[in-house]
Amino acid sequence: DGGITQSPKYLFRKEGQNVTLSCEQNLNHDAMYWYRQDPGQGLRLIYYSQIVNDFQKGDIAEGYSVSREKKESFPLTVTSAQKNPTAFYLCASSILEGAGELFFGEGSRLTVL
Amino acid sequence: AQSVTQPDIHITVSEGASLELRCNYSYGATPYLFWYVQSPGQGLQLLLKYFSGDTLVQGIKGFEAEFKRSQSSFNLRKPSVHWSDAAEYFCAVGLYNTDKLIFGTGTRLQVFP
Repeated sequence: DGGITQSPKYLFRKEGQNVTLSCEQNLNHDAMYWYRQDPGQGLRLIYYSQIVNDFQKGDIAEGYSVSREKKESFPLTVTSAQKNPTAFYLCASSILEGAGELFFGEGSRLTVL
Repeated sequence: AQSVTQPDIHITVSEGASLELRCNYSYGATPYLFWYVQSPGQGLQLLLKYFSGDTLVQGIKGFEAEFKRSQSSFNLRKPSVHWSDAAEYFCAVGLYNTDKLIFGTGTRLQVFP
């Protein structure tokens, strides 16, 4: 079945450590996105990529980094510069038709101790 | 700037009762509008979308939404709620000619038997 796989589902890290969240899709979608979800704040866009080897900052990119070396993969690194990294992270993809139907993974919950 | 407002943070209804979740948007052009549903600890699933045409849109799980340009609203409705509808619901607006979505802060629906 086609879909988006995020891993790990739960991740605990000590303060000051970088962590990388994986996102893989087999939908052959061109565009991929990372959103952060905090209670009462909805989803906020961190980074997005419309094509391999290219990506753009979203609304809250500070303290995060991404890469897009393959069409299927869009990993997110939460760096030690991110001041409040504990959150639920959602990866999504779309076929890039200019109308925005996103398909979401099941999310990764990061807790920084 | 584009924005989406969901004025109700938390709604409680009895099973079998009707439901209306409110969504208002701010956008300079005709928007693309979406409703997504999220079960606890899961990703988001698309319920329905509006791009153009008929302003009453039918979605999955018996949901519908009506686009009212004069009120800048896209409210979600269901005539009879089931216990399995308990979840968080997000309204989103798509920016023209991109696949980026701006999400509201969500409405949590609780259903009593």
